[in-house]
Amino acid sequence: RKEVEQDPGPFNVPEGATVAFNCTYSNSASQSFFWYRQDCRKEPKLLMSVYSSGNEDGRFTAQLNRASQYISLLIRDSKLSDSATYLCVGWDSNYQLIWGAGTKLIIKP
Amino acid sequence: SQTIHQWPATLVQPVGSPLSLECTVEGTSNPNLYWYRQAAGRGLQLLFYSVGIGQISSEVPQNLSASRPQDRQFILSSKKLLLSDSGFYLCAWSANGEAFFGQGTRLTVV
Repeated sequence: RKEVEQDPGPFNVPEGATVAFNCTYSNSASQSFFWYRQDCRKEPKLLMSVYSSGNEDGRFTAQLNRASQYISLLIRDSKLSDSATYLCVGWDSNYQLIWGAGTKLIIKP
Repeated sequence: SQTIHQWPATLVQPVGSPLSLECTVEGTSNPNLYWYRQAAGRGLQLLFYSVGIGQISSEVPQNLSASRPQDRQFILSSKKLLLSDSGFYLCAWSANGEAFFGQGTRLTVV
């Protein structure tokens, strides 16, 4: 079993809709989690950190559920520019970054 | 502020030729450093990581090697490239889990 799993998508979503995707992890030692955004043929860039108490940044909300071992990303009022691949990553005390394979999101006009 | 430089951005190399990709970090000390490879439409595959000078851990057996001659310098090398070495190579550094990537090198072996 992969340590971090994501639905690869693609998620085809109309502009203005709300979209959510999850990422499950198997390593309970993972201490921190993050969501990254990767545009085509570009490097991943940090989108936001994920906390148990939730983290909201504008239209984006990230949540960590340690009991069920998943993290989520919610995007409200989606824009065409939100089209990208979204990667989740967990970090453990052994300096390991455990990456999901990414979820592709396509926002359609 | 911290910055990471990776070069070159694109590279076309013949099979059997050597490879050297360089990555340097500025604005931080003793960073954790990583080399990843990403195939088209796929996730990040960890190749090497380093927690200090001269300390290299390899995740997968392969035709590549890595070195960290200085605290903020991470080099990915190969003596003889294979066609299967083509891909998008990313260098990254991390602190407390947050990872920051270089612009990537798109390597095509012909």
